Amino acid sequence: DGGITQSPKYLFRKEGQNVTLSCEQNLNHDAMYWYRQDPGQGLRLIYYSQIVNDFQKGDIAEGYSVSREKKESFPLTVTSAQKNPTAFYLCASSPMAGADTEAFFGQGTRLTVV
Amino acid sequence: QQPVQSPQAVILREGEDAVINCSSSKALYSVHWYRQKHGEAPVFLMILLKGGEQKGHEKISASFNEKKQQSSLYLTASQLSYSGTYFCGTEEGGAGSYQLTFGKGTKLSVIP
Repeated sequence: DGGITQSPKYLFRKEGQNVTLSCEQNLNHDAMYWYRQDPGQGLRLIYYSQIVNDFQKGDIAEGYSVSREKKESFPLTVTSAQKNPTAFYLCASSPMAGADTEAFFGQGTRLTVV
Repeated sequence: QQPVQSPQAVILREGEDAVINCSSSKALYSVHWYRQKHGEAPVFLMILLKGGEQKGHEKISASFNEKKQQSSLYLTASQLSYSGTYFCGTEEGGAGSYQLTFGKGTKLSVIP
């Protein structure tokens, strides 16, 4: 079955440690996105990528980094520079970057930093 | 800039109707609507492109007024399965900006 997979579902880390969240899709989609979701804040865009080896910052990129070495993979690293990393992280993909196509979301990773 | 959704929350009895609004201070190229159930991924409902079109999806439809930079989602004869948080996502300016910005969501609760 085609889809978008995020792992792990729950992640715990100590403060000051970097952590990488996985996002894989087998939909052959060009565009991939990372959003952060906090209670009452909606979905806020962290980074997005239109093609392999290219990505752009979203609204809240500080303290995060990404890579897009393969079309199907778009991992997100939450660095120690992120002041408030505890949140629900959602990865999404779409056939092409742009407004005419729907985004498919993964099930999310809930990150807790203690 | 996040679009503004209203209301923030609404409670309906089965069979009642609801309207969720989404507005932006900037010119919009498109509006997306998604529904998210607790602990699950958002699910796509529909996309509206500028041109003032209205779309329908079963008993859920939406309109887009590009002049007013507003979109509304209409839920008629609500069912228990409609419960969840509804998000609008907007793309500003012309096609190709690629950045889809979501509102804070509207929590809809449908009770028997």
